Amino acid sequence: EADIYQTPRYLVIGTGKKITLECSQTMGHDKMYWYQQDPGMELHLIHYSYGVNSTEKGDLSSESTVSRIRTEHFPLTLESARPSHTSQYLCASSGSKRSNSPLHFGNGTRLTVT
Amino acid sequence: GENVEQHPSTLSVQEGDSAVIKCTYSDSASNYFPWYKQELGKRPQLIIDIRSNVGEKKDQRIAVTLNKTAKHFSLHITETQPEDSAVYFCAASINQFYFGTGTSLTVIP
Repeated sequence: EADIYQTPRYLVIGTGKKITLECSQTMGHDKMYWYQQDPGMELHLIHYSYGVNSTEKGDLSSESTVSRIRTEHFPLTLESARPSHTSQYLCASSGSKRSNSPLHFGNGTRLTVT
Repeated sequence: GENVEQHPSTLSVQEGDSAVIKCTYSDSASNYFPWYKQELGKRPQLIIDIRSNVGEKKDQRIAVTLNKTAKHFSLHITETQPEDSAVYFCAASINQFYFGTGTSLTVIP
């Protein structure tokens, strides 16, 4: 079934560690996004990509990086985790055939930094 | 850039009553307006959307209206049920998506 897959589902890690959150989609979408969201709260755009080798910064991009080497894969890396990074990270994708197509979200990675 | 405001932030209604959530946007170039429902611990799910060339769209108990001149759009849920309880997000889109701050809806049985 076409979907967006995020791993790990839960992650507990110590301060200063480097971590990569994985996101893959089998929906054939060109556009992919990373959002940070505290439970039930506002969605904050971290990074987005319009296609292979395209990456753009969102509002919360300063402490993370992304890459888009393959269409289906859009990993997010935190170079040095801090307690303030404790949150849920949602990956999403949307189709490219028309500019106005909906976002589809993955199940998220819930990150805790101790 | 685009700025989306959403009201109210919390809403409680009796089962069977209607619920209305309102959003405004700032960029007249925005041309797509989806609504998402997020249940506790789950991912946001698209429930309805509207494009800028349409003024109203309905899907069973859910409807969305769009006023391009005033730059606002609204979600209407009729005959609310306890399973409608969730956080609802509006969004405006040109190339990327700009989300409202969410409305926590509680339907009281």
